[in-house]
Amino acid sequence: EVQLVQTGGGLIQPGGSLRLSCAVSGFIVSANHMSWVRQAAGKGPEWISIIYSGGETYYADSVRGRFTISRDRSKNMVYLEMNVLRADDTAIYYCARDSRPPVWGKGTTVTVSS
Amino acid sequence: EIVLTQSPGTLSLSPGERATLSCRASQIVSGSYIAWYQQKPGQAPRLLIYGASARATDIPDRFSGSGSGTDFTLTISRLDPEDFAVYYCQLYGSSMSTFGQGTKLEIK
Repeated sequence: EVQLVQTGGGLIQPGGSLRLSCAVSGFIVSANHMSWVRQAAGKGPEWISIIYSGGETYYADSVRGRFTISRDRSKNMVYLEMNVLRADDTAIYYCARDSRPPVWGKGTTVTVSS
Repeated sequence: EIVLTQSPGTLSLSPGERATLSCRASQIVSGSYIAWYQQKPGQAPRLLIYGASARATDIPDRFSGSGSGTDFTLTISRLDPEDFAVYYCQLYGSSMSTFGQGTKLEIK
């Protein structure tokens, strides 16, 4: 069974850092493109980052230079390292497999507030 | 940058009617990476269609997707009361991934 289990969300102060984790079962992370998507309250989903099966990484303008996507082949996990967090980073963050069919995790909430 | 524009912004229909939702891309895209999601308040988006026309697991056959090039359509053949929600199209699978702004399907 395909599962993406997310951990790592929480309340963090502006300027702080947080790492989100996505533990995958049912398929091999490194053989798939994997993305992170976020959704702020009352807004539509926003794509923020992808790591290709080949290892290349890309980011939305809104997070480039602050967020880093990575993966661990041995643990079959994907990560999103988030630095210099701002209030407008507050959202539910979803880990996703970008293939046919796409599969999303259940999401983890990140709240950036003092 | 590819922009997905969904229309209409709001669609008011009655149960039993047919709904047609549009998603237009600002340039030609591969339909293999067009998905449609349904979202109800307080819930995560639910995958309906991927690859422009393939129904996801457990999705009723009243939902269908079509299109190619720049124009894609989600059709709900006969609206059930549980279908009233917000619908998003998505181009996924690359560094040009993006979402449409959504269509709200409301009860008339």
